[in-house]
Amino acid sequence: NAGVMQNPRHLVRRRGQEARLRCSPMKGHSHVYWYRQLPEEGLKFMVYLQKENIIDESGMPKERFSAEFPKEGPSILRIQQVVRGDSAAYFCASSPDSYQGSPLHFGNGTRLTVT
Amino acid sequence: AQSVTQPDIHITVSEGASLELRCNYSYGATPYLFWYVQSPGQGLQLLLKYFSGDTLVQGIKGFEAEFKRSQSSFNLRKPSVHWSDAAEYFCAVGAQGGYQKVTFGTGTKLQVIP
Repeated sequence: NAGVMQNPRHLVRRRGQEARLRCSPMKGHSHVYWYRQLPEEGLKFMVYLQKENIIDESGMPKERFSAEFPKEGPSILRIQQVVRGDSAAYFCASSPDSYQGSPLHFGNGTRLTVT
Repeated sequence: AQSVTQPDIHITVSEGASLELRCNYSYGATPYLFWYVQSPGQGLQLLLKYFSGDTLVQGIKGFEAEFKRSQSSFNLRKPSVHWSDAAEYFCAVGAQGGYQKVTFGTGTKLQVIP
């Protein structure tokens, strides 16, 4: 029973390039959350998606960042024109529903390094 | 808006000693509270959660936590620490009502010495 799968595990991009991070939720889960973790900081909520819908993107930077969760395929977090400050670990989590009691199941993250 | 404070950035304990990690939350009503553990290079794993009822919650790996409303605290405890418990621990709070948007603390790194 596969857990949340994120790829790639490590991603190196030069400033100005695009980064695409993928997340396949656990089987049966249709709710996806993206978090960013900076060194010495906790996880910061970025966006919450259900299939084909963005429910809450209040944690997303207004520019360069976008997310989608299509009907088929993984959820994608896209960062355009990356800058050094985008270097962080990006975690995806999924849950089977929006019930507050459902724990989040996390992937192992994608570590983005911008050079 | 809810928030979480973990006042200890690093804690070092001897193997076999007891452990208590502090967590204080801010939320206007009864919150959902969680403790997660993160091993290096890994994602977060749920240790335990509190929603209502008994204020002492048992979790996996021998951990427990106690919800104290009067102190707005949800401290994590373990009577005897093992070397494999070395990791980073995150307290988190979720708002009741609506969907699950969880706010995490900044984490406490636990070092276990022989």
